[in-house]
Amino acid sequence: QSVLTQPPSVSAAPGQKVTISCSGSSSNLGNNHVSWYQHLPGTAPKLLIYDNDKRPSGIPDRFSGSKSGTSATLGITGLQTGDEADYYCGTWDTTMRVFGGGTKVTVL
Amino acid sequence: QVQLQESGPGLVKPSETLSLTCTVSGAFLTSYYWSWIRQPPGKGLEWIGYMYNSGTTDYNPSKYNPSLKSRVTISVDTSKSQFSLKLSSVTAADTALYYCASQHPSMVAFDYWGQGTPVTVSS
Repeated sequence: QSVLTQPPSVSAAPGQKVTISCSGSSSNLGNNHVSWYQHLPGTAPKLLIYDNDKRPSGIPDRFSGSKSGTSATLGITGLQTGDEADYYCGTWDTTMRVFGGGTKVTVL
Repeated sequence: QVQLQESGPGLVKPSETLSLTCTVSGAFLTSYYWSWIRQPPGKGLEWIGYMYNSGTTDYNPSKYNPSLKSRVTISVDTSKSQFSLKLSSVTAADTALYYCASQHPSMVAFDYWGQGTPVTVSS
């Protein structure tokens, strides 16, 4: 049981938009920044978003992040087949790092 | 470009100590947080702990997941550009894909990850 709650899966057609939610509580998302990671099995997870809405160098602006209260959202626009992956949110919870259970994005 | 690569035995017997190493290239180990994260089969990510390497011998704080704290040690060897994980008294519940990851102090996020190494606990 993950501390942060994500939907198991989302899907959309190429070119469309998907959003992935991440729900927490006052001890984690309510008081800390959220980050988002893209993970293709067999590869190293990749940081997509940090500090709620910032993108590291090289991450396209098709990926966006937001946070409000104890919830956060990752948006992916212009969906591509290469975006098929698992996506995780993460943050601090009191004294430890925590993650969501992951959301599988399927491009129809 | 920063790269992390995990290495270590893929099979560990119950009650023994799991030992993994992460080799870092493209970055200095000082002034960074170095973490271990794992993913049991079919489950989500679980943070194991981190060590901050200040570059001095008198300040290198570490922090561990409370559920694993009594069994975990993370250490850094700057001379080898490596950091390590030791997890003692392992059981089948410790079977997982183990990742090493870095965190720059300016961000609350893991900026670089290794691709993971599978560890199975079995006799």
